[in-house]
Amino acid sequence: QKEVEQNSGPLSVPEGAIASLNCTYSDRGSQSFFWYRQYSGKSPELIMSIYSNGDKEDGRFTAQLNKASQYVSLLIRDSQPSDSATYLCAVYGGATNKLIFGTGTLLAVQP
Amino acid sequence: NAGVMQNPRHLVRRRGQEARLRCSPMKGHSHVYWYRQLPEEGLKFMVYLQKENIIDESGMPKERFSAEFPKEGPSILRIQQVVRGDSAAYFCASSLAGGPGNIQYFGAGTRLSVL
Repeated sequence: QKEVEQNSGPLSVPEGAIASLNCTYSDRGSQSFFWYRQYSGKSPELIMSIYSNGDKEDGRFTAQLNKASQYVSLLIRDSQPSDSATYLCAVYGGATNKLIFGTGTLLAVQP
Repeated sequence: NAGVMQNPRHLVRRRGQEARLRCSPMKGHSHVYWYRQLPEEGLKFMVYLQKENIIDESGMPKERFSAEFPKEGPSILRIQQVVRGDSAAYFCASSLAGGPGNIQYFGAGTRLSVL
């Protein structure tokens, strides 16, 4: 079982729709959760961080964390073509004490 | 306020040569991390350093790879006797402090191509 799992996609949504990106993790002791956006050939850019159960909203982005289910998600409202990128879920593991990345989900927003 | 600076952006080496990748952390940051990203794969942790100390090198291959973060100057990731399998994007990140609550900010990366 991978430590951090994401559906590789591509996830295709029409412009203006809600994009829902999901991530599961295996280390129940994980404490911090991050979403990074990575455009092709570029560096990862932090979108959201979340540390406690529930929702955290920042503009068009909402991160959701459910530690009991070991699940974290990212919702992007009013998706724009400029949101088209790979979204990386990263989890700071309790056992490993380091940041573990999923392989990323490719999001394509169709104009 | 400069971000994490990496150079060179692109590096081409022939098999058997040495590659040196440099990383200057964000101003005020003293924690540096190196990651490797292969095509179609996620970022893989390699090593975590503080000034003059290697904190965790569990992700780094035992041979040919080394890293340092001296008291003065940038952090260096050194790959000796490169092989084709070393071709990848190498990213450096920095944080203000260590531990789970601290956000890591990434540099633009160095893309290493081994001929």
